Amino acid sequence: DSGVTQTPKHLITATGQRVTLRCSPRSGDLSVYWYQQSLDQGLQFLIQYYNGEERAKGNILERFSAQQFPDLHSELNLSSLELGDSALYFCASSGGTADQETQYFGPGTRLLVL
Amino acid sequence: EDQVTQSPEALRLQEGESSSLNCSYTVSGLRGLFWYRQDPGKGPEFLFTLYSAGEEKEKERLKATLTKKESFLHITAPKPEDSATYLCAVHVNQAGTALIFGKGTTLSVSS
Repeated sequence: DSGVTQTPKHLITATGQRVTLRCSPRSGDLSVYWYQQSLDQGLQFLIQYYNGEERAKGNILERFSAQQFPDLHSELNLSSLELGDSALYFCASSGGTADQETQYFGPGTRLLVL
Repeated sequence: EDQVTQSPEALRLQEGESSSLNCSYTVSGLRGLFWYRQDPGKGPEFLFTLYSAGEEKEKERLKATLTKKESFLHITAPKPEDSATYLCAVHVNQAGTALIFGKGTTLSVSS
């Protein structure tokens, strides 16, 4: 158990809908990262937050957004969903912004868009 | 463009048959190389971090090594419970950049 929690575990929805994925980092960790894992693309970095502020953006679509709250939990919002958004979404956390800090991953949310 | 390539894509071993997984990278300014293990439908589990060429780390039957262009994950006398996908990731010299992952090597160990 990494100490990172994610809810829900599974999500089934329809095209055009909007969903929210939630992540609670390890106790004391300030950085939260979101990754998308699909069969053909592997793990792709989406976005990073550090202590409530956006720190870095990766391959995140404009339809997707995230935020980190004062209690350090984070939410990833996916809107106008398309079939191709079906994937595993992982949250990871680390202690801070130091580049050499290890990221610990949560169990993921499996999203299926029908 | 920063790239991480893992080979082979899949590897089948008999229990006790040692082998190595490769992770080659072309990045501008490596700041750390990470190995993770991922079981089907689960999140990646941290194994090792390597920072500089020549560094080695061991954990049970696994040993990770790093050169200037690649890393190897050596598996000695594997057991069926070592079956998983092994992911390599790099942290590069760009402010705020997260991990860049390879596509992984799926290892199957049969008894």
